[in-house]
Amino acid sequence: NAGVTQTPKFRVLKTGQSMTLLCAQDMNHEYMYWYRQDPGMGLRLIHYSVGEGTTAKGEVPDGYNVSRLKKQNFLLGLESAAPSQTSVYFCASSHTGEQFFGPGTRLTVL
Amino acid sequence: GQQLNQSPQSMFIQEGEDVSMNCTSSSIFNTWLWYKQDPGEGPVLLIALYKAGELTSNGRLTAQFGITRKDSFLNISASIPSDVGIYFCAGQLSGGTSYGKLTFGQGTILTVHP
Repeated sequence: NAGVTQTPKFRVLKTGQSMTLLCAQDMNHEYMYWYRQDPGMGLRLIHYSVGEGTTAKGEVPDGYNVSRLKKQNFLLGLESAAPSQTSVYFCASSHTGEQFFGPGTRLTVL
Repeated sequence: GQQLNQSPQSMFIQEGEDVSMNCTSSSIFNTWLWYKQDPGEGPVLLIALYKAGELTSNGRLTAQFGITRKDSFLNISASIPSDVGIYFCAGQLSGGTSYGKLTFGQGTILTVHP
């Protein structure tokens, strides 16, 4: 089992550009989450999904959109990137308790 | 939203020393989790606590779920260089519309000098 995988690992964008981050899990988990990690602030929840076809807002959803068309995939989109979205993005999945994290995507917006 | 205060923010210790860090919350949680993050990787679960007062060990790591359900601590005994990393506490509510969501502390950066 690969667990939780994320693509790409690194990306540099210019302000205003768009991109999609892909998260995939092979553990048949119902719940999936997107976090951003900034220095000194821990991990903050952006959006989450409780099952295929569902999405919900987390703590810091502004500027991001998500989709869960297939149970194993959870996509995070930035329609118009801003420098404030420079961060490390983590995807996680869970059944009910422990969340399993992917390796992260480091995004820089210039 | 809910806030978790994790302390200390950073620690610089000598190999062999014991380490202690803690988390406090303004709200109660049903589950406390402790994660470790190595540089360039995602967090990995170290210990999960499910019951107030519970004391759980995992090798050299020991964690406790506070009686009030608003705090937790993690101890690392006889630290070694590979203990270096960022340690996060996380609180979780169960049932209802919680959907397994976690609230994270700010992290404790641990540096171990050989």
